[in-house]
Amino acid sequence: DAKTTQPNSMESNEEEPVHLPCNHSTISGTDYIHWYRQLPSQGPEYVIHGLTSNVNNRMASLAIAEDRKSSTLILHRATLRDAAVYYCILTKDSGAGSYQLTFGKGTKLSVIP
Amino acid sequence: DAGVIQSPRHEVTEMGQEVTLRCKPISGHDYLFWYRQTMMRGLELLIYFNNNVPIDDSGMPEDRFSAKMPNASFSTLKIQPSEPRDSAVYFCASSPQRKGTGVYSPLHFGNGTRLTVT
Repeated sequence: DAKTTQPNSMESNEEEPVHLPCNHSTISGTDYIHWYRQLPSQGPEYVIHGLTSNVNNRMASLAIAEDRKSSTLILHRATLRDAAVYYCILTKDSGAGSYQLTFGKGTKLSVIP
Repeated sequence: DAGVIQSPRHEVTEMGQEVTLRCKPISGHDYLFWYRQTMMRGLELLIYFNNNVPIDDSGMPEDRFSAKMPNASFSTLKIQPSEPRDSAVYFCASSPQRKGTGVYSPLHFGNGTRLTVT
């Protein structure tokens, strides 16, 4: 799978938007972009995913660059509960089965009250 | 749904002892994954099953590690004999079978078992 690059850590003030970047310059046409996060003392949880178009769900938005070489996870109003490690992961879409997720170091997000 | 259930939550054992970690996946999920997390190496995929059959165990560190899935609702990860370097948090995850391209099925993780080998 293609490699992703994320900043080690970021800080945000509570109730402000947060933009978490991810670079994936070697992405291929069939690679999905997944975002998971891991809250303290918990297992990772799914946040959002996308292929080419921007995506929105209850938790976040995913903005994908036109050339797909980078993406940004957007939390519209950070809360203290959003303090976590955020992982950007690429996997190929085989059309069936499941996804083997290879986790990198991720970005540790701190939210300041 | 109760989610993926792992037990025990914490395990402390002495070097050389056998350790068994347990996982109950979400009902109806066809895939089960075992991950290990350490500060040095992050989250590593150890093995995964599809319909109770091991598909890829290339991440299993050594022969001391073994995993089984005797039925769709239960899996074990066993370490025998355990060593201090096996100390880590072990996560189990499950996901349903995807129905085709464009249909997304995220992985659901349990809260892990923190293993300490002294």
